[in-house]
Amino acid sequence: ILNVEQSPQSLHVQEGDSTNFTCSFPSSNFYALHWYRWETAKSPEALFVMTLNGDEKKKGRISATLNTKEGYSYLYIKGSQPEDSATYLCAFLNDYKLSFGAGTTVTVRA
Amino acid sequence: KAGVTQTPRYLIKTRGQQVTLSCSPISGHRSVSWYQQTPGQGLQFLFEYFSETQRNKGNFPGRFSGRQFSNSRSEMNVSTLELGDSALYLCASSSVTGDTGELFFGEGSRLTVL
Repeated sequence: ILNVEQSPQSLHVQEGDSTNFTCSFPSSNFYALHWYRWETAKSPEALFVMTLNGDEKKKGRISATLNTKEGYSYLYIKGSQPEDSATYLCAFLNDYKLSFGAGTTVTVRA
Repeated sequence: KAGVTQTPRYLIKTRGQQVTLSCSPISGHRSVSWYQQTPGQGLQFLFEYFSETQRNKGNFPGRFSGRQFSNSRSEMNVSTLELGDSALYLCASSSVTGDTGELFFGEGSRLTVL
C-alpha cells in the first residue's frame, strides 16, 4: 500500500484569498500524479495529470507544481471563489494502480 | 458524449446478502476501475479491467469480485455482505489502461448494509 499524504485535511479560505496545499508521495518508481476536484453530490473531476519533474499546470485560477525527486506536489488556488469549495484529491500512479490521498477539503467563505 | 453511468445509485442490503453494481463507461473507453470510499478514508482501489481482463487488484477480500463484458460495461459483486461494506462505490473509465490518463468517474453507488 503506497502512502499518499495530503495536508492539511481541511482549510477555510476567505473569498478572494489565495491558498495552497500539499500532496506527498513516494519518490521512487514515479509514473504520474493526478489531481481531482470532488464537489459535494458530484463525481470527482480530473484537474491535472502530471508526469514530469518540474511540471507546472494551470487551469483558470488553479495551478499545480510537481517535484518527483522529493515526492511532493502543490495545488494552488488564486483568488478563491465559493465555487472552489470542494475536496481536492491527489493520486499517485504506480504499477498501474492509482493510490489516492484522503483529500484536502476547501471551504471558501463569502 | 454520455458520461460514466452507475446503477443503482442507492441500495440497502442486510448482512449476509450479496450485491451487484453496474458501470457503463464512456463510449470508446476500454479501461474500467472500481474504488470504495468509506467515511474518513480516501478512495481505495478495488480492481481495474481492460478488454475483459482484470489488470490489477487492490487489497480487498475475495468477497469482492468483478468482471468486464465485451462492450466494456463492468460489474462488481460483493458476497456475504458485512456492515463494514457500507460505502460509496465509484467506477471510473479511461481511454487506456493503467495509465497516465485521467479517470472519468461516475456518480457512484451508495451501499448501506444493515
